[in-house]
Parts: sequence; C-alpha cells; structure tokens
Amino acid sequence: ILNVEQSPQSLHVQEGDSTNFTCSFPSSNFYALHWYRWETAKSPEALFVMTLNGDEKKKGRISATLNTKEGYSYLYIKGSQPEDSATYLCAFITPGGGADGLTFGKGTHLIIQP
Amino acid sequence: NAGVMQNPRHLVRRRGQEARLRCSPMKGHSHVYWYRQLPEEGLKFMVYLQKENIIDESGMPKERFSAEFPKEGPSILRIQQVVRGDSAAYFCASSPVATGELFFGEGSRLTVL
Repeated sequence: ILNVEQSPQSLHVQEGDSTNFTCSFPSSNFYALHWYRWETAKSPEALFVMTLNGDEKKKGRISATLNTKEGYSYLYIKGSQPEDSATYLCAFITPGGGADGLTFGKGTHLIIQP
Repeated sequence: NAGVMQNPRHLVRRRGQEARLRCSPMKGHSHVYWYRQLPEEGLKFMVYLQKENIIDESGMPKERFSAEFPKEGPSILRIQQVVRGDSAAYFCASSPVATGELFFGEGSRLTVL
C-alpha cells in the first residue's frame, strides 16, 4: 500500500487571499501525479496531469508544481474565490496501474470565506 | 459526448439483499475503475477492469463483492448479502489509457438498513 499524504486536511481562507497545499508521495517508481477538484455533491474532475520533475502547470488562477525527486507537489490558488471551495485530491500513479498504480490522498478540504 | 454515467444514484437495501451498481464509461474509454468512499475517508481503490477482463481486484473484499465489464453494456459492481458496513458512496471512473486522467461518474450511494 502506497502512502500518499495531503496537508493540511482542511483549510479556511479569506476571499481574495492566495493559498497553497501539499501532496507527498513516494519518490520511487513514479509515473504521474494527478490533481482533482471535488465539489460537494459532484464528481471529482481532473485539474492537472503532471509527469516530469519540475513540471509547472497552470489553469486560470490555479497552478501546480512537481518535485519527483523529493516526492511532493504543491497546488496554488491565487486570489481565492468562493467557487474555489472544494476538496482537492491528488493521485499518485505508478507505471503498472491497478491498486497501487493509482493511489489517492485523502484530500485537502478548502473553504473560502467571503 | 456523455460523461461517465452511474446508476442508480441512490440505492437502499436491507441486510442480506443484493446490490447492483452500474457504470457506463465515457465513449472510447476501455479502462474502468471502481472506488469506494467511506465516511471520513478518501477514495479507496476496489477494482480495475478492461473490457471482459478484471485487471486488478486487489482492493475488493474477497467475499460478497464481484465486478464485471462485459463486451457489451455497462460495468457492474455486485455486492451480495449486503451488511451495514457496505453503506458508502461507490464511484466509477473511466480512462482512455491505463494511467491516464480519470473521468468520474457522480457516484452511487448505497444505504444498507
């Protein structure tokens, strides 16, 4: 069983502030890291698929970085808005797929306060 | 292009009954994953299937649970003789490739009375 840790578990941020949170994963046997956004009463939606050490991806006000050598990825949200409130999941992927091939963290629950 | 479709969205069963959850992947996706979300926990892998094949079922309980993905029709997660501990949300996801981005259905919430 692979250990994928996300921190913090929950986060309250004032509207307009920027924030970031972390996904830690094993530094060996890396294939890809996915970030998903999961709004209440909806299904998770992919934000980023990251594969290369040093990758930086951006979608609007949300961006992510990847460090495969030390086993972490950061997700940044600039100028938080109420619609950013969601649980953000990371998933660590190894080449083989299957049970250990795609392991989710427990998520960071982000609440944006107006 | 319709997304991943799961049904039923909500299912109530009494202890000892059978539950069948269905998942139709996105068009062109041949990889299907089932996850279970228990209260206060994240998504736990259950089983990974391709058409007519179970690739990895190591996350699925050995008894009472089974899954299939036939050549025609949806993938089905079947839980026999349900117990209260089976109450959870069950999510299906599909992908065009084995390690690609997952597209999730909206989940099926099973309640066992």
